[in-house]
Amino acid sequence: AQSVSQHNHHVILSEAASLELGCNYSYGGTVNLFWYVQYPGQHLQLLLKYFSGDPLVKGIKGFEAEFIKSKFSFNLRKPSVQWSDTAEYFCAVTGSSNTGKLIFGQGTTLQVKP
Amino acid sequence: DSGVTQTPKHLITATGQRVTLRCSPRSGDLSVYWYQQSLDQGLQFLIQYYNGEERAKGNILERFSAQQFPDLHSELNLSSLELGDSALYFCASQTSGGHEQFFGPGTRLTVL
Repeated sequence: AQSVSQHNHHVILSEAASLELGCNYSYGGTVNLFWYVQYPGQHLQLLLKYFSGDPLVKGIKGFEAEFIKSKFSFNLRKPSVQWSDTAEYFCAVTGSSNTGKLIFGQGTTLQVKP
Repeated sequence: DSGVTQTPKHLITATGQRVTLRCSPRSGDLSVYWYQQSLDQGLQFLIQYYNGEERAKGNILERFSAQQFPDLHSELNLSSLELGDSALYFCASQTSGGHEQFFGPGTRLTVL
């Protein structure tokens, strides 16, 4: 079955700390991978996406993610977090050949302490 | 602002009732997806429409239905509501041939 697993449910960091959120997926075939962010009370916004090519992708607000095909992983990183990064982060996958429906992980709540 | 609009923002209703949630996609986007976000189930795909036709179904209950109109806006109809239907309902739109989905602000449904 297609699934996405996010390892951390709740992460608490101090400002300037480095961030890595884990994401593993189970999906047969070629995949497109996404990280979405949901700030408190707001809608989902796309942070970054991977379709093909360079497995290290850069997104908005200093975030990046690395696609490791052999590990079925797409971990999100940021070298130095800010208080404004406090939000919920969702990893999602869709097959390149399917209708495009997104399969989401459970989400990781990130709390950054000033 | 993603360009996707949803109304209403909040909806409070009673068990057994029926409600309609509305979504207007970004200009030119033909695909509309509906997702449900709840505390116990997380974010789940419900249904997709493309240019007026149903394209894919996910974990959508038989009590729920949707449609997409000629002007491309979509409505999600939820009937015989139960307490467990309380959730945030998002719609997203996607361009033809694109992979990125743009999400609306959601409708928060509370069933009392």
